[in-house]
Amino acid sequence: NAGVMQNPRHLVRRRGQEARLRCSPMKGHSHVYWYRQLPEEGLKFMVYLQKENIIDESGMPKERFSAEFPKEGPSILRIQQVVRGDSAAYFCASSPRTSSSYNEQFFGPGTRLTVL
Amino acid sequence: SQELEQSPQSLIVQEGKNLTINCTSSKTLYGLYWYKQKYGEGLIFLMMLQKGGEEKSHEKITAKLDEKKQQSSLHITASQPSHAGIYLCGADWNQGGKLIFGQGTELSVKP
Repeated sequence: NAGVMQNPRHLVRRRGQEARLRCSPMKGHSHVYWYRQLPEEGLKFMVYLQKENIIDESGMPKERFSAEFPKEGPSILRIQQVVRGDSAAYFCASSPRTSSSYNEQFFGPGTRLTVL
Repeated sequence: SQELEQSPQSLIVQEGKNLTINCTSSKTLYGLYWYKQKYGEGLIFLMMLQKGGEEKSHEKITAKLDEKKQQSSLHITASQPSHAGIYLCGADWNQGGKLIFGQGTELSVKP
């Protein structure tokens, strides 16, 4: 059973370009979470999605960032017009949430974004 | 203000020694998660605690949640170099899905 997959593992973009980060959850998991880990900072929640729905986006920056989790295919975190401050490790986690009390989140290896 | 505090921030122990990492919440937890992160890698799930007074063990790692569900400890017995890494506690306060993480504890184990 493959774990959470993220690609690319490393991404280099110049200021002003777009970054697209992909996350394929574990098999059977329909809930996806994105977190960001900035240098010298902790791991911060960004957004929580279920298939075709955004459940909680309270951690998403108001501009330039968007996320989707379509019916088919991976979840995408999109950053438009990247700036140097976007350089960070972006982690995706997935969970089955088969019951109201079960929220075990399994993390992918992360995508390390570097903005030049 | 930081809602989830971990202590210590870093720890260096001699191989074979026991150690404890603490995680304190500013409010009652719904669930408390422990993860381990190797530098530059993803997070490895260790344990999840939900009930007051709950204790779970896996190999040489034991995690406990206090009765009030505001404090958790992670204890490693007879530490080994393979235990080195960053330990993160994550809180789910309202069953809402998102986890709020502590700042992490960086553990080094000297052979």
